[in-house]
Amino acid sequence: GNSVTQMEGPVTLSEEAFLTINCTYTATGYPSLFWYVQYPGEGLQLLLKATKADDKGSNKGFEATYRKETTSFHLEKGSVQVSDSAVYFCALGDGGFKTIFGAGTRLFVKA
Amino acid sequence: GAGVSQSPSNKVTEKGKDVELRCDPISGHTALYWYRQSLGQGLEFLIYFQGNSAPDKSGLPSDRFSAERTGGSVSTLTIQRTQQEDSAVYLCASSLGGAGYEQYFGPGTRLTVT
Repeated sequence: GNSVTQMEGPVTLSEEAFLTINCTYTATGYPSLFWYVQYPGEGLQLLLKATKADDKGSNKGFEATYRKETTSFHLEKGSVQVSDSAVYFCALGDGGFKTIFGAGTRLFVKA
Repeated sequence: GAGVSQSPSNKVTEKGKDVELRCDPISGHTALYWYRQSLGQGLEFLIYFQGNSAPDKSGLPSDRFSAERTGGSVSTLTIQRTQQEDSAVYLCASSLGGAGYEQYFGPGTRLTVT
């Protein structure tokens, strides 16, 4: 069945460091891919999405490219800030109505 | 406009009691989802509703769990005879349609079973 695997956390970085959070998926067909973020004390919210191969989603300085050949959707940011500290979830929309979420990766950014 | 709301925000109950959790989705959203998030874990899909179609209950962990959606809007998740392992944050989300659409999440209900 469809699944999402993302790197375990926590990830701890200093401010202005480069961030990569790996996400790979297993799916039949052509799923949509998402990154959601959960800031401390807040609900999940969509960060970015991509709906087809080679699409790049971007928002708030974060980017992720839909790579069908490697079945990956890694999240990157060139220079993280303390305010980026949160839990990040990779997710896959399987073409029906079900969305499958990864386990989440907690990011801590130190000043 | 108003987002997804959930009530109560916190619920503490004794083992064996029944609880009801409520979700008010965004007006006009046809799809509604319930998830469970245990401490340090990802989101576990429980159930979704789409319009007037029969709900997909494939994620409900046991027959103690049930959910309904009245009038295509408000949804209630009911847990009967609660157990300590039911302790978690229960999240509701709504969207305009299928899995390709963004889901809008509520703040969650933190359930603690003592």
